Amino acid sequence: AQSVTQLGSHVSVSEGALVLLRCNYSSSVPPYLFWYVQYPNQGLQLLLKYTTGATLVKGINGFEAEFKKSETSFHLTKPSAHMSDAAEYFCAVGGSGNTGKLIFGQGTTLQVKP
Amino acid sequence: DGGITQSPKYLFRKEGQNVTLSCEQNLNHDAMYWYRQDPGQGLRLIYYSQIVNDFQKGDIAEGYSVSREKKESFPLTVTSAQKNPTAFYLCASSIPANYGYTFGSGTRLTVV
Repeated sequence: AQSVTQLGSHVSVSEGALVLLRCNYSSSVPPYLFWYVQYPNQGLQLLLKYTTGATLVKGINGFEAEFKKSETSFHLTKPSAHMSDAAEYFCAVGGSGNTGKLIFGQGTTLQVKP
Repeated sequence: DGGITQSPKYLFRKEGQNVTLSCEQNLNHDAMYWYRQDPGQGLRLIYYSQIVNDFQKGDIAEGYSVSREKKESFPLTVTSAQKNPTAFYLCASSIPANYGYTFGSGTRLTVV
């Protein structure tokens, strides 16, 4: 079975500050990990994904995430927050042999203060 | 441009009424999914389909039905048996499996 836990339903940072959104997963098979962003009343957009290979993954809009197997984590970071980063962020896990379904976390709302 | 189109964007349902949400994709994706989104609950899987004429229940299928007669289309019907249908509904597709979804822009369903 697979599951995802996002620590913190709301995160607030100042513009220009580091963004850190936490995601821990549980998986009985090698995981595929994803981060998505959702703006109000819109669908989800893929930020980045980890399937195999390099554990530090770079995505769009300056975001990156590092897969740490020993910590079962896939935290999302961005060095300097912009006002346009304010949105809801979802971590998701999938894995080979699981029929292709993704399991999503509860989401983290990022607020960026001027 | 390829993508997924959900319609309508807003939908109002009266008590006891069935309504159908449309999802069409031109990405040539084999798999399609329906999720329900409620505040603070993330995305919950309603139904998914990996091939034409076949689909499986997700975690919250009760009160919903789907069909997959064409690769491009995966409509969701919210039946009168769904007692709390007010939510944001998202359709997604993928190929190959486990390499990330492409999402539609969603349908917001409200019971009036």
